[in-house]
Amino acid sequence: EAGVAQSPRYKIIEKRQSVAFWCNPISGHATLYWYQQILGQGPKLLIQFQNNGVVDDSQLPKDRFSAERLKGVDSTLKIQPAKLEDSAVYLCASRRPLAGGEQYFGPGTRLTVT
Amino acid sequence: AQTVTQSQPEMSVQEAETVTLSCTYDTSESDYYLFWYKQPPSRQMILVIRQEAYKQQNATENRFSVNFQKAAKSFSLKISDSQLGDAAMYFCASLRAQKLVFGQGTRLTINP
Repeated sequence: EAGVAQSPRYKIIEKRQSVAFWCNPISGHATLYWYQQILGQGPKLLIQFQNNGVVDDSQLPKDRFSAERLKGVDSTLKIQPAKLEDSAVYLCASRRPLAGGEQYFGPGTRLTVT
Repeated sequence: AQTVTQSQPEMSVQEAETVTLSCTYDTSESDYYLFWYKQPPSRQMILVIRQEAYKQQNATENRFSVNFQKAAKSFSLKISDSQLGDAAMYFCASLRAQKLVFGQGTRLTINP
């Protein structure tokens, strides 16, 4: 089966600009996650979707970050306006609705804010 | 809050030898899952091995095995017959309410 797809792979923007990332999960995976991974750290969950509904966005900086998952398939994560500290890799993952089910990760988007 | 701690920022091992990566976690759950993920320079997170807390038997996947000590909340990864392709960042993670909590990672270097 095809893996989790993400685009773009790399993005460089200036602070205060906006940026959007796209994720296409594995077909049939109802749960979708966005993680932020700052250099030298483990990934940190930003938001979790179940189909097209938000399950957990408690760690999403809502003043500048937004995410949506229309039709319960693809998802976009947006940052507006970007700050220097948003430089990180943004990982998308999906999983089947099984207890303890494995999360499958995409290749990530490396964002550099200058 | 659930926490995962990896106390070894870097480890190195000679090719073909065995190395053990350490991980401790803290959870109040009685039923949970633990994982080791590998992240090579390509950034793709790849599942290495999974352990279900209710299972006493340690999980094994080919050259990878874990030492799961539930009472001590310890979950170490052993890599046998290390290969050059094993070089990567390794992350320990625990699963709670369908959400993964990751440790800080251990960078593993394989010396030829």
